[in-house]
Amino acid sequence: GDSVTQMEGPVTLSEEAFLTINCTYTATGYPSLFWYVQYPGEGLQLLLKATKADDKGSNKGFEATYRKETTSFHLEKGSVQVSDSAVYFCFPDYKLSFGAGTTVTVRA
Amino acid sequence: GAVVSQHPSRVICKSGTSVKIECRSLDFQATTMFWYRQFPKQSLMLMATSNEGSKATYEQGVEKDKFLINHASLTLSTLTVTSAHPEDSSFYICSASSRDVNEKLLFGSGTQLSVL
Repeated sequence: GDSVTQMEGPVTLSEEAFLTINCTYTATGYPSLFWYVQYPGEGLQLLLKATKADDKGSNKGFEATYRKETTSFHLEKGSVQVSDSAVYFCFPDYKLSFGAGTTVTVRA
Repeated sequence: GAVVSQHPSRVICKSGTSVKIECRSLDFQATTMFWYRQFPKQSLMLMATSNEGSKATYEQGVEKDKFLINHASLTLSTLTVTSAHPEDSSFYICSASSRDVNEKLLFGSGTQLSVL
């Protein structure tokens, strides 16, 4: 069945470092792909999405490109800030269970 | 703007009691709502999908008599954990989708249930 594999954390970085969180999926079709973020003490919120192959989602300096050939949707940010410390979730479709997320901690 | 409001955020109850968790869509109509459960440091597991006015569809392994889901209106879905036991202690989160919000999924802030 459809599933997603997300890089396990935790990930600890220094401010201004480059961040990559890998996400690959298996699906019978071509689902929309999402990254959600959960900041400390808050609920999940949509970070970015892509609805078809080669689409690039972007928000708050984060980017992810829907790559059909590698079935991937890796999340990247060129220069992280302390405020980016959060748990990040990747999933391909709202009907599915998804992983525990990747905890990212950015140190000043 | 459109948000999903989930209450309560935290509840502690005695074993054998029932607990109701509410999930409301604000400023949009939620045609579909989802309920998830998360154990510490583990996955968010989809429990059930509910469409307004119809019975919820439960995922395999989820006891429908244990976790009662009602989606009586386009703005409200409830999850009732009946005769709760300590093993039901978990983080429960709802989400809602609607074409009114460009089909993206909006999440509630979650409910931490602790059964003593």
